Amino acid sequence: GQSLEQPSEVTAVEGAIVQINCTYQTSGFYGLSWYQQHDGGAPTFLSYNALDGLEEKGRFSSFLSRSDSYGYLLLQELQMKDSASYFCAVSSGGSYIPTFGRGTSLIVHP
Amino acid sequence: DAGITQSPRHKVTETGTPVTLRCHQTENHRYMYWYRQDPGHGLRLIHYSYGVKDTDKGEVSDGYSVSRSKTEDFLLTLESATSSQTSVYFCASQLPGQGSNEQFFGPGTRLTVL
Repeated sequence: GQSLEQPSEVTAVEGAIVQINCTYQTSGFYGLSWYQQHDGGAPTFLSYNALDGLEEKGRFSSFLSRSDSYGYLLLQELQMKDSASYFCAVSSGGSYIPTFGRGTSLIVHP
Repeated sequence: DAGITQSPRHKVTETGTPVTLRCHQTENHRYMYWYRQDPGHGLRLIHYSYGVKDTDKGEVSDGYSVSRSKTEDFLLTLESATSSQTSVYFCASQLPGQGSNEQFFGPGTRLTVL
């Protein structure tokens, strides 16, 4: 089966940088995705990594190390609106269907 | 953003009654999914579809059935609702093979089973 581990909660102050880690166990790894979900809202896609390295998208970056079965989401210049839950999701076994982690609640303080 | 809607958005029902949730997408996405979200569990896959009339079970499929008679519509049915099925249900669609593996989610349906 598949399993993913990510911290349940992370806190940071406005303007800071925060990293949310995700480790996974799976066979036939295909890719790692990240989603953001605000309270009461739907998950929205942030990024996808299929190859090792860092993908940068504005204030958000995502990193993948396939050899370490590890990835992270990096959020820079934190804003209050970044307070949300962040989910990593792994696709494997040649399937596009992702398995989601339990999510990390990010709390940004003024 | 993909046009994906869910109906109803909220529903309260009683134990033992049948319930059908509808998901509608206008992007001609081949793959569609039903998830449930409960505190501490993230998103768990109930059923998915990889084409019209082609569906398969996810990790928490017991007590649920689905149907997909048209590309744009994916229905989730609880044949006899139980209190353990109280949850928020999200539908998602996907066009695989586009490199990003992105799923587009509907706004969710909050279901309460009394």
